[in-house]
Order: sequence, then structure tokens, then C-alpha cells
Amino acid sequence: QVQLVESGGGVVQPGRSLRLSCAASGFNFNIYGMHWVRQAPGKGLEWVAVTSSDGVYVYYTDSVKGRFTISRDNSKNTLYLQMSSLRPEDTAVYYCAKKKSGTFYELPDYWGQGTMVTVSS
Amino acid sequence: QSVLTQPPSASGTPGQRVTISCSGSSSNVGSNTVHWYQQFPGSAPKLLIHTNSQRPSGVPDRLSGSKSGTSASLAISGLQSDDEADYYCAAWDDSLNGPVFGTGTKVAVL
Repeated sequence: QVQLVESGGGVVQPGRSLRLSCAASGFNFNIYGMHWVRQAPGKGLEWVAVTSSDGVYVYYTDSVKGRFTISRDNSKNTLYLQMSSLRPEDTAVYYCAKKKSGTFYELPDYWGQGTMVTVSS
Repeated sequence: QSVLTQPPSASGTPGQRVTISCSGSSSNVGSNTVHWYQQFPGSAPKLLIHTNSQRPSGVPDRLSGSKSGTSASLAISGLQSDDEADYYCAAWDDSLNGPVFGTGTKVAVL
């Protein structure tokens, strides 16, 4: 069965960096695009970034452009989110999510359990 | 970032039917398919409906989805206590090059 396990969250000071990882198993990782989606405490879901199956095409929501980088290592079945210049408003649970199909315009089907990132001094 | 508009709450008694609306625009719901997700507190979202009205295996047929123009809806028939959760719609947004999510609807079973 599909499993997505995020790690790397924690408490970090504003302006610092953090790298999240998402270990994937139970499906052919290298043929699916992947998303990062976040959820601030008590708030709704917010899409953060997406990568194509080969990592060539990446897109970001405006608020993280220039600060976050999504990448993947298909040899390790792992998705990453490098976050820099972190702000208090980046505080959220970060979920990695698998695209439902191989098409570009595809939404998530399976989600990880999430990892909490808290940006605070 | 544009979002899809949902009512903040919906409720019903056991056995009743509840409908949740999702309003978007021509760049998202109007031109792409809609997914619906269920989320319990402290848990990850779970896919309930994809491609406007298709249920993944294991999702009961008392849940149904539909779409017309720039709006979509999720209906829960035969409401049960374990339907109490938050529900989110989502659609790809052509101007964002990524998905947009609904504001979320909390369903209560009275």
C-alpha cells in the first residue's frame, strides 16, 4: 500500500532554514508528480509546491517563491522541501502528497501524516 | 492565492442528507476537475471523491459529488456520527499552476 512518511520538522527561528523529507513506498515513485501542502494551526489546506515525476518542472505558490525549493531523488524514493528565510507565517503542518495520476494537472490522492514546522524566536 | 469558497459549517441529524457547496472560477473549477477530501482532527486528508463524481474504492456510495460550471457540491446521504469531520474541495488552477483548496466545511451530526 502507498506510504508517505514526512520528517525534518521542528522549531526554528525566523530567518533560518529547514529541510523536510518525504520517504515514499508502495508505488512506483518515479512516474508520479508530488505535492507539498501545508496547514497552519486551525486553518485550511494551502498548496505549497509541486514537482513533475522527473523533477524538471516545479511550481510554487507566490508566498514561498524564492525561499522554498522542492526536489526529489528518484533513486531514494524521497521528496524534499528546502525552506529558507523562514517566517512566522510559515508555521504549519507540512504534508507531502502523491499525484493521483501522471498528468500535469493532477491533484493529490494519498497524503503523508505530516510534519510540524514552527517558526518562532 | 485564490481559494474556493465553501460554507464554514453544515449539520444534520443521523440519516439526513447534507450538501456542501464549492464555488470557484473559470481558471479552476470551471476548467478542471474537482476532488473532495475528508479530514479528521490531527489526521491527514483522505480522498473521498475525484474527477468531480468518482469514488475511490472503499468510499461508500452514500457520498456523491457533482459539478456544474464554476461550482461543485458534495452530498452525504444517510448521515452518520462518523461523518463528523472537515471537508475540503480542490481543483487545479491554471493561473497558479497548482491546486487551490476550498475554505473547508465542518460537518456536525446533531
